[in-house]
Amino acid sequence: SQQGEEDPQALSIQEGENATMNCSYKTSINNLQWYRQNSGRGLVHLILIRSNEREKHSGRLRVTLDTSKKSSSLLITASRAADTASYFCATGLGGAQKLVFGQGTRLTINP
Amino acid sequence: GAVVSQHPSWVICKSGTSVKIECRSLDFQATTMFWYRQFPKQSLMLMATSNEGSKATYEQGVEKDKFLINHASLTLSTLTVTSAHPEDSSFYICSARGGTGSNQPQHFGDGTRLSIL
Repeated sequence: SQQGEEDPQALSIQEGENATMNCSYKTSINNLQWYRQNSGRGLVHLILIRSNEREKHSGRLRVTLDTSKKSSSLLITASRAADTASYFCATGLGGAQKLVFGQGTRLTINP
Repeated sequence: GAVVSQHPSWVICKSGTSVKIECRSLDFQATTMFWYRQFPKQSLMLMATSNEGSKATYEQGVEKDKFLINHASLTLSTLTVTSAHPEDSSFYICSARGGTGSNQPQHFGDGTRLSIL
């Protein structure tokens, strides 16, 4: 069963604007990860944030984690057309480190 | 680094055929590999987890006799869809994780689009 819910399901913005995607989950986690998927391709790992971390940056990406609210957000600043993709959050669970994915946000950056 | 190669990228075959998909970690040793299935515009559903040299662990509802997984080495896992039927048509994606730490990301292949006629 799906662990996470992502909001919004789809987002369309102009190039240069910031994009924010949210993810909520249900159970305790070891970490939360964000992935990007271009149409018809595999997933690309973006950021892993551990359960004891609150914020993490990587280039134009900023991820926050609030374990008390069981939620995370991904902010992409100064968006580019190449950022158009689906973005998934995934929670790392248990010793086997299975990932349970959210439904994803389809992001479209309009030039 | 951390490149995962999945082959083939696209398969079209007749109903009743068995199809093998390979997943290779090219520049790291994958202690654990995962197989996912994805329907159009939907999320990834984990099918099974495999560790090198041991039997795969299948998720609830996944038929282990239908989807045979072999993880014979630290760089190769295979998924065989046996006697495939049209309802098995889907996008199959593998991922690999190196190390045993609890905070290792998974690295994904580019997926295999399987179409059963």
